[in-house]
Amino acid sequence: EAGVTQFPSHSVIEKGQTVTLRCDPISGHDNLYWYRRVMGKEIKFLLHFVKESKQDESGMPNNRFLAERTGGTYSTLKVQPAELEDSGVYFCASSQDGNYNEQFFGPGTRLTVL
Amino acid sequence: GEDVEQSLFLSVREGDSSVINCTYTDSSSTYLYWYKQEPGAGLQLLTYIFSNMDMKQDQRLTVLLNKKDKHLSLRIADTQTGDSAIYFCAALEGSGTYKYIFGTGTRLKVLA
Repeated sequence: EAGVTQFPSHSVIEKGQTVTLRCDPISGHDNLYWYRRVMGKEIKFLLHFVKESKQDESGMPNNRFLAERTGGTYSTLKVQPAELEDSGVYFCASSQDGNYNEQFFGPGTRLTVL
Repeated sequence: GEDVEQSLFLSVREGDSSVINCTYTDSSSTYLYWYKQEPGAGLQLLTYIFSNMDMKQDQRLTVLLNKKDKHLSLRIADTQTGDSAIYFCAALEGSGTYKYIFGTGTRLKVLA
């Protein structure tokens, strides 16, 4: 069974540009989460989808971040325009339901904003 | 909201035991987890413990939970060089959603 995949693995962009990160969850997982780890700090929750609906987006930093999950399959996270403080590793995770079940994490996308 | 803290670094010799500690603030967290991240890889669940348990053992791993002190620890017996990684403690915040609150991660270095 394929795990959670993320694309790209690494992105380097200049301040003011736009970047779109993609996450493909494990097939059949309705729950999809985005997290971010900035500069060796803790991994912080960004948002949670249940199928195509945003269940909780309380962790989204500001309106420069837009997450979508059309059709309830893969998800994208767009940052527009990117700022220096957006640099970090963006993790996606999926789970089979919203309870205690293990969240399966992807390898992350390392975003560097210059 | 929940806050989770860990020490940043731990260095041990191969064959010794490693103990990684974590504290959390929200006593209503129902599940607590330990994840491992190896270089270039995603987070891998090592083990988890339900809040009504005090201890859980799984092969070389032992998790101890002190709910009174809101303290969680992960003990790795007979630590090997392959155990070198970053270990994240996480608490399940169940207030309407099921997001994880992570600590900063503890980088474990195993010396041969």
